[in-house]
Amino acid sequence: AQSVTQLDSHVSVSEGTPVLLRCNYSSSYSPSLFWYVQHPNKGLQLLLKYTSAATLVKGINGFEAEFKKSETSFHLTKPSAHMSDAAEYFCASSMNRDDKIIFGKGTRLHILP
Amino acid sequence: GAGVSQSPSNKVTEKGKDVELRCDPISGHTALYWYRQSLGQGLEFLIYFQGNSAPDKSGLPSDRFSAERTGGSVSTLTIQRTQQEDSAVYLCASSLGDINQPQHFGDGTRLSIL
Repeated sequence: AQSVTQLDSHVSVSEGTPVLLRCNYSSSYSPSLFWYVQHPNKGLQLLLKYTSAATLVKGINGFEAEFKKSETSFHLTKPSAHMSDAAEYFCASSMNRDDKIIFGKGTRLHILP
Repeated sequence: GAGVSQSPSNKVTEKGKDVELRCDPISGHTALYWYRQSLGQGLEFLIYFQGNSAPDKSGLPSDRFSAERTGGSVSTLTIQRTQQEDSAVYLCASSLGDINQPQHFGDGTRLSIL
């Protein structure tokens, strides 16, 4: 069965330090993978997506993610956190055409001054 | 350009009442999705439309939930005889159609059942 696991429900980093949000997927097929961000009282906004082209994907706001098939991972990183990055982040995966997209349970990112 | 619009933004109603939530997708987006987001939970898939048809209704929690889409555009999610456990944020998203396309989300309807 298709699943997406976000390993941390909360992550806290200091402003200016690197961010790592972890995501693992399970699939028998090559997936499409996404990271979305949700700010309070807002809908989700796409940060980046992987669709079997380059394994290192660059997104908006300085975020990037690397697809590692051997580890079934798609971790989200940013070299230097900013206060405005404080939000909830969702990893998502789709496996087949006409199938639904599966979201992880989310990771809340806290930025410490 | 206009994004996905959901109305109302907030809805408070008494247990047992029916509610109707509306979603206006981005013009030209053939796929439309409904999700439920409860406090501390991820997104729970409810239903998706491709045009006016719903190939996958498997996520609807009970027969009190129904959804329709007309003209390949606006969609309504109806919850009959609401229960307190229906309290959540209901999010709508639209996309160009292929499941591999990114989804564009509205800001949601926050539903509170008293």
